[in-house]
Amino acid sequence: QKEVEQNSGPLSVPEGAIASLNCTYSDRGSQSFFWYRQYSGKSPELIMSIYSNGDKEDGRFTAQLNKASQYVSLLIRDSQPSDSATYLCAVEPNFGNEKLTFGTGTRLTIIP
Amino acid sequence: GAVVSQHPSWVICKSGTSVKIECRSLDFQATTMFWYRQFPKQSLMLMATSNEGSKATYEQGVEKDKFLINHASLTLSTLTVTSAHPEDSSFYICSATVDPLLITDTQYFGPGTRLTVL
Repeated sequence: QKEVEQNSGPLSVPEGAIASLNCTYSDRGSQSFFWYRQYSGKSPELIMSIYSNGDKEDGRFTAQLNKASQYVSLLIRDSQPSDSATYLCAVEPNFGNEKLTFGTGTRLTIIP
Repeated sequence: GAVVSQHPSWVICKSGTSVKIECRSLDFQATTMFWYRQFPKQSLMLMATSNEGSKATYEQGVEKDKFLINHASLTLSTLTVTSAHPEDSSFYICSATVDPLLITDTQYFGPGTRLTVL
């Protein structure tokens, strides 16, 4: 069974610090990786997608992928209270119109 | 761009009734839409994959006769919960892939529909 594992948290980070969120996956052949942010009572919102090993930066967010270690992470720099949410890692086995497997999410709280 | 809407945003119904939820891609054509269910404090669980003009593909454990999916056009998919019971109370979310050329395969999510069955 394909699995995506995340620490459920809660993870508390002081405002302005770097928040580090981690995710591991079991299907070594997975091709596409996504980070979604979900506020309480709302649907997920895409933050980042990453397909190749290494880092991908978008504003305050950096996704890191290591396929050999089956590990993907999300760094949030200069954390803001508005970043407080649950972060979902999602993995897609093959590129294109395939179903996503979601982790259970990590609840992040930014402390002012 | 890549906006997905759902209607209604919330619904309360009596046990035994049927509820229809609509999912629309507003500014793009979605050949594939997905339906998820999320119970409180749990992650999203895929229920089915919906392709325009063909029968939906259901995940293991999801009753296709209870959760009817119709993908009538490239911008509309509907989920009907038939004979709803309190255990069907959940947050139902649809998503759609935005790029039929598969240059990207990102799924964009609708705002969700909260169903409460009394």
